[in-house]
Amino acid sequence: ETGVTQSPTHLIKTRGQQVTLRCSSQSGHNTVSWYQQALGQGPQFIFQYYREEENGRGNFPPRFSGLQFPNYSSELNVNALELDDSALYLCASSSRVTGANEKLFFGSGTQLSVL
Amino acid sequence: AQKITQTQPGMFVQEKEAVTLDCTYDTSDQSYGLFWYKQPSSGEMIFLIYQGSYDEQNATEGRYSLNFQKARKSANLVISASQLGDSAMYFCAMRVRDDKIIFGKGTRLHILP
Repeated sequence: ETGVTQSPTHLIKTRGQQVTLRCSSQSGHNTVSWYQQALGQGPQFIFQYYREEENGRGNFPPRFSGLQFPNYSSELNVNALELDDSALYLCASSSRVTGANEKLFFGSGTQLSVL
Repeated sequence: AQKITQTQPGMFVQEKEAVTLDCTYDTSDQSYGLFWYKQPSSGEMIFLIYQGSYDEQNATEGRYSLNFQKARKSANLVISASQLGDSAMYFCAMRVRDDKIIFGKGTRLHILP
């Protein structure tokens, strides 16, 4: 077990709604990144937060937004949900040290279904 | 373009045999890192092994080794003495300059008893 916890584990929403997913990072980790994994695909990088600021973003529209809190936990918010947003959302935490092997520790994910 | 390519969508291997999962990558960065992750049906991504672009020795972690051929831009994962519990999806991934991690599409490995 990695110590990274995500909630909820499953979620069903309808198109146009908004959703908030939560992630508690492993103790001592200051960096959180979020990934979207569609069925049968590899995870796609959404964005990364380091010390409460967004630090890198993938090719996702602005309706995907996030927060990192002083305790390094994080939220992923998605507005105006679309059917294609249905996916497994994975959170990963790491301890960012320049030049080091930044091993990511993943949670078990939140399975989002948009109807 | 930065890309990870895994050409084997699925593999079937007899228990106790060694297996090689292929991974090629494309990046113009001089400094990068290569990872392999295992994803069982539970969904959690489990770190297996890491290779830095400047590491001269191939990485090893227990039964896992990474066959790093920099000139060919390949980073194949070798699992020795496969076990039934090795059945899962396996993803090759690369960390590039802006700390983004890029994943391949994965290989589903089936270990046969």
